[in-house]
Amino acid sequence: DQQVKQNSPSLSVQEGRISILNCDYTNSMFDYFLWYKKYPAEGPTFLISISSIKDKNEDGRFTVFLNKSAKHLSLHIVPSQPGDSAVYFCAASADNYGQNFVFGPGTRLSVLP
Amino acid sequence: ETGVTQSPTHLIKTRGQQVTLRCSSQSGHNTVSWYQQALGQGPQFIFQYYREEENGRGNFPPRFSGLQFPNYSSELNVNALELDDSALYLCASSLGRTSGTDTQYFGPGTRLTVL
Repeated sequence: DQQVKQNSPSLSVQEGRISILNCDYTNSMFDYFLWYKKYPAEGPTFLISISSIKDKNEDGRFTVFLNKSAKHLSLHIVPSQPGDSAVYFCAASADNYGQNFVFGPGTRLSVLP
Repeated sequence: ETGVTQSPTHLIKTRGQQVTLRCSSQSGHNTVSWYQQALGQGPQFIFQYYREEENGRGNFPPRFSGLQFPNYSSELNVNALELDDSALYLCASSLGRTSGTDTQYFGPGTRLTVL
């Protein structure tokens, strides 16, 4: 029973355009969400986070949107760059201190030059 | 680079054997978490240690055990290996804050193959 779902295994986007990666969750107790990026042969790298008291968080080219009623979050990357090509994991936590995370299966983003 | 290292990079074992995987956390990070990532899946939480004591556990059997040492290193031990234990094992260290966000920094992982 997957509590965190990323229904698109892969996504291809042209360089300079917007990339939108989606994530859905089922556990209404989740109150903290993160996105990680993973390159081959490396561990996941923290990208951006959002807590349930917000519906948007921005960091440079990366913006995460949270829709609590729909149990849905999305990561927007604009403009997309070839270096953004990686696997992106959505993770959620119901822990007060956000330490124990449930990860989605990941979406492989390819940004084409 | 996160400053978190893991050894070995790759490991091949046979069913029924025991294995020890090692992780060296960032200096000053009191918390280490271990994850199992099967092919095509996201990391799955195994357990977490805070200042050398287990601080949470995922849905893994007791044959998965761990240790954390005062020098910011830790171990994941798996006994009686099964074919399904073949996966990438990731460790992640964090400060161990008691409030707010505690960002986890992942190592590159150890790829375990059980034959």
